[in-house]
Amino acid sequence: AQKVTQAQTEISVVEKEDVTLDCVYETRDTTYYLFWYKQPPSGELVFLIRRNSFDEQNEISGRYSWNFQKSTSSFNFTITASQVVDSAVYFCALSARDTSYGKLTFGQGTILTVHP
Amino acid sequence: KAGVTQTPRYLIKTRGQQVTLSCSPISGHRSVSWYQQTPGQGLQFLFEYFSETQRNKGNFPGRFSGRQFSNSRSEMNVSTLELGDSALYLCASSFQENEKLFFGSGTQLSVL
Repeated sequence: AQKVTQAQTEISVVEKEDVTLDCVYETRDTTYYLFWYKQPPSGELVFLIRRNSFDEQNEISGRYSWNFQKSTSSFNFTITASQVVDSAVYFCALSARDTSYGKLTFGQGTILTVHP
Repeated sequence: KAGVTQTPRYLIKTRGQQVTLSCSPISGHRSVSWYQQTPGQGLQFLFEYFSETQRNKGNFPGRFSGRQFSNSRSEMNVSTLELGDSALYLCASSFQENEKLFFGSGTQLSVL
């Protein structure tokens, strides 16, 4: 069985602060994908990144960066110089070959509020 | 390119009724999956369809069912509605099974 834990329920920061959202996962499968999605108030889940289990390279995309560490089963997400528009619920998710890649197991989500 | 379209956006039903939700995937996408989102349980997988075949099913009672048509459009049905079925139902599509999912804005179902 898979499990994704996002220990931070809510985070509140002031604009321009850096913020890191933690994600820890559990799976017995050796082949899996990790995801981050953003859910603004409109409700739609917006895809941010997908990383497969064989690629531990960190990734940077603009103000966003991701740190994948298999040794600690973590896939953390950092927003640099946060902005008010970053306010949303962020979900980490996992899909594995054994249970079908089409089935995502989500964490409980982290509510990020960025104050001006 | 149009995104994933879900209809209706909002729905109010009473206990015991049944409901059908519709999802039109991104053009060319053959995989459609459904998720239920509630404040208490979070996002939970309902089922996944690929080329009209159900490939995977989550841990939900048989009152929850779905299907996919030849044009990849999908519907999910919930019969004998219960108060606990109140949730945001999200549909997602992808071209193939191991690619990123694109989500619709969901159908907010309220059961009174």
